[in-house]
Amino acid sequence: QSVVTQPPSASGTPGQRVTISCSGSKSNIGTHAINWYQHLPHTPPKLLIYSDNQRPSGVPDRFSGSKSGTSASLAISGLQSEDEADYYCAAWDDRLQVWLFGGGTKLTVL
Amino acid sequence: EMVLVESGGGVVQLGGSLRLTCAASGFTFGDYPMNWVRQAPGKGLEWISYINGESKIMYYADSVRGRFTISRDNAKNSLYLQMNNLRAEDTAFYYCTKDDRTGWYSEHWGQGTLVTVSS
Repeated sequence: QSVVTQPPSASGTPGQRVTISCSGSKSNIGTHAINWYQHLPHTPPKLLIYSDNQRPSGVPDRFSGSKSGTSASLAISGLQSEDEADYYCAAWDDRLQVWLFGGGTKLTVL
Repeated sequence: EMVLVESGGGVVQLGGSLRLTCAASGFTFGDYPMNWVRQAPGKGLEWISYINGESKIMYYADSVRGRFTISRDNAKNSLYLQMNNLRAEDTAFYYCTKDDRTGWYSEHWGQGTLVTVSS
C-alpha cells in the first residue's frame, strides 16, 4: 500500500547515466526531505542520499539526488556493474505519521 | 566503529511471540533515534517502528500497530522489538537502523535477523 511510487525496474549500460524517479504527495515528499537507500544483494541497505541531495561520506559523486514538488529523482552517472542493486526512496508522511518507502527499483547494468 | 547486531530471530508459530534485540556499539546510543525496518521475501523495504532517544516518542506502521512494541534500554545500549500475535505476513528479515540525531534519515543499518512465522 505504498503511496510513494517508484518504477519497478531500470537499466543502463556501463558509463551511461540513469535516473530513478520517486513520486509521492504533498503530505510526504511535498513537505519533507527524501532519502535514498541502496540495497545490494546479501548486504544490509545503505544510505545513499539524504535530505534530497546530500551524499554521506564515502558515497561517490556519481550519485546525486533532486526534488521538485512531490517528485524526486536519483541520478547515477558513469554507471558501473557494482551499481546493480535495488534502490529505495523514503519520506516521512505527515498525514499518516509513518515513514514510507517506495516499492523499490531494481537497477540492472546490461 | 559503529555496529548494530540484531538477534532473536527464528521460527515461530502463527499467533506466537518473539522479541528481537539490537545491540549497539561504537556511538552514544541514547543520543540517537532508532527504527526497525523489515523486508519480506521477494518484497521491498517496509518501515515498521521508530523510537526517539528518550523513549518519549514512538511511531508504528499500521501493519504492526497494536501487535508490536518498540522499546530501548540506553543503559544496555539495546533496542528491542516485542512481536505478538505473529502472522504469516510478518515473515521477513528485520533490520534495526540508527538515525541521525534529528531522526530524519537512517544512517546506519544492522545486518538483520530472519523471522519466519510458520503455520
